[in-house]
Amino acid sequence: KNEVEQSPQNLTAQEGEFITINCSYSVGISALHWLQQHPGGGIVSLFMLSSGKKKHGRLIATINIQEKHSSLHITASHPRDSAVYICAVEKGSGGGADGLTFGKGTHLIIQP
Amino acid sequence: NAGVTQTPKFRILKIGQSMTLQCTQDMNHNYMYWYRQDPGMGLKLIYYSVGAGITDKGEVPNGYNVSRSTTEDFPLRLELAAPSQTSVYFCASRRWPSSYEQYFGPGTRLTVT
Repeated sequence: KNEVEQSPQNLTAQEGEFITINCSYSVGISALHWLQQHPGGGIVSLFMLSSGKKKHGRLIATINIQEKHSSLHITASHPRDSAVYICAVEKGSGGGADGLTFGKGTHLIIQP
Repeated sequence: NAGVTQTPKFRILKIGQSMTLQCTQDMNHNYMYWYRQDPGMGLKLIYYSVGAGITDKGEVPNGYNVSRSTTEDFPLRLELAAPSQTSVYFCASRRWPSSYEQYFGPGTRLTVT
């Protein structure tokens, strides 16, 4: 079983819809990251969370440490949000050296 | 700043050949990483470095070697390429502990036939 599981694997929605992508993990973590991989392949960091909630524009990320679960929400979705969204965790007590452990990603398509 | 750059963008290797994937960052980041991404799978850590002269193995290091002689450069060496090394390779860097964000290069798509 993967240490980081995402759902759904694929999601197609209409422009304007509210989108939720879920991430569950089974290991102790110091932080959780959400990343976006563009259709061309480039990867950018969206958020890092160790507790609570963060918001950036139309994107909201939440984490529940007790339940080992995080969600990424997109409000008023737009076709330019079409991408693969990846959840990744920093395992253990921190230190940053060990890199990230990744989920398989959620492929999101927003139709006009 | 160019950020994280990788060369080449694409490469086809024959089984048994060797090559070096180049990675350079101009942000004075101390930590650097190599990941591989296989279709339908999450990225996996190959090697990482916390500073010049210091490297360590990640989750999938077999068949690869790295060096870090400068802060800027973190090349990945493939010796005796095998079809199992067909993948997309991403280099990333971060400034630890002051920043959470990992900056990724554009990737190198490698095919071994």
